[in-house]
Amino acid sequence: GEDVEQSLFLSVREGDSSVINCTYTDSSSTYLYWYKQEPGAGLQLLTYIFSNMDMKQDQRLTVLLNKKDKHLSLRIADTQTGDSAIYFCVRAFGNEKLTFGTGTRLTIIP
Amino acid sequence: NAGVTQTPKFQVLKTGQSMTLQCAQDMNHNSMYWYRQDPGMGLRLIYYSASEGTTDKGEVPNGYNVSRLNKREFSLRLESAAPSQTSVYFCASSAPGRSGNTIYFGEGSWLTVV
Repeated sequence: GEDVEQSLFLSVREGDSSVINCTYTDSSSTYLYWYKQEPGAGLQLLTYIFSNMDMKQDQRLTVLLNKKDKHLSLRIADTQTGDSAIYFCVRAFGNEKLTFGTGTRLTIIP
Repeated sequence: NAGVTQTPKFQVLKTGQSMTLQCAQDMNHNSMYWYRQDPGMGLRLIYYSASEGTTDKGEVPNGYNVSRLNKREFSLRLESAAPSQTSVYFCASSAPGRSGNTIYFGEGSWLTVV
């Protein structure tokens, strides 16, 4: 089946960079997304990357895609307390089906 | 900017009781979804509806039914609730765009079955 794996927890000091990693088994993705879920809230789209791209940068966020290794990462520069959340790696194939990773809970250490 | 609205936000049910989770979106999206979120398991698709009048099973449909009442509304029904259905339920909708099939989520419904 299609698996998307993430580490469950990550702790980072305020001001440092956070790197959240994701690996997947099926290479037939069209888009890969990062969603953010704050406590008690729904998921919000943070950023995305087309499967034919290697990198995308959006302000403090950098997404890197290594198609050969089936590895996706999200780097958050200058991590702030407001970045505390669960981050989901999501891959899409076709028009309807998304596969979610387990989510990585990012904790910011003051 | 309502987006995706789901009700109720919290519900406690006894085993065997029935209930319906309501969902509505105001973005004129064709596709709507119901997911459940359990600790350490990400989100799993229960049912989805690609357009008004159509519904399809997702990854974990057992114990649930859905109704796509019209383009705006997509409800999820638990006919006989079981403790294994204790979860957080998210309704979502989507439409194709520049970023693929971006999905917009409601704020979640916390359901406890005792």
